[in-house]
Amino acid sequence: GDSVTQMEGPVTLSEEAFLTINCTYTATGYPSLFWYVQYPGEGLQLLLKATKADDKGSNKGFEATYRKETTSFHLEKGSVQVSDSAVYFCALPSGGYNKLIFGAGTRLAVHP
Amino acid sequence: EAQVTQNPRYLITVTGKKLTVTCSQNMNHEYMSWYRQDPGLGLRQIYYSMNVEVTDKGDVPEGYKVSRKEKRNFPLILESPSPNQTSLYFCASSGGGGGRINEQFFGPGTRLTVL
Repeated sequence: GDSVTQMEGPVTLSEEAFLTINCTYTATGYPSLFWYVQYPGEGLQLLLKATKADDKGSNKGFEATYRKETTSFHLEKGSVQVSDSAVYFCALPSGGYNKLIFGAGTRLAVHP
Repeated sequence: EAQVTQNPRYLITVTGKKLTVTCSQNMNHEYMSWYRQDPGLGLRQIYYSMNVEVTDKGDVPEGYKVSRKEKRNFPLILESPSPNQTSLYFCASSGGGGGRINEQFFGPGTRLTVL
């Protein structure tokens, strides 16, 4: 069945460091891919998405490129801030509109 | 403001005492879901609803019930909670069309502890 694998955290970085969080997936066909972010004490928010191969999603300085040849959707940011500290989830839709398959989540902690 | 609301945000209860977690959305979305979030497992879908009076099981439905009598509301019911249902619960809704298919909007979460 469909699945998402994320790199394990936590990831601890200093402010202005470069961030990569790896995500690979297994799916039938070429589904849309998503990154969600969960700030402390809050629900999940959509961070960015890509709907087809080679698409690049971007938002708030984060980017991810849909690579069908490597079935990957790695999240990157060139210079992280303390305010980026959160849990990041890679996800893909399964079964139509009603379900997202999530990775286990990667906790990011950014220190000044 | 478009939002999904859940109540209560925090709940501590005892084994066997029935409880309901409410969820409401104001975006006129057809689709609503409940997820639970557990460390190392990400979010797993419990139940979903495609519209009023249409519900179906997700990946981990055991021990839960839902109902969808109105489009905006989708309560989660635990008839006889057990400690293994201690978790963080999220309600989500999504609509269709306009390029936003499959984008789900999440509530703030309900942290449930069953003693």
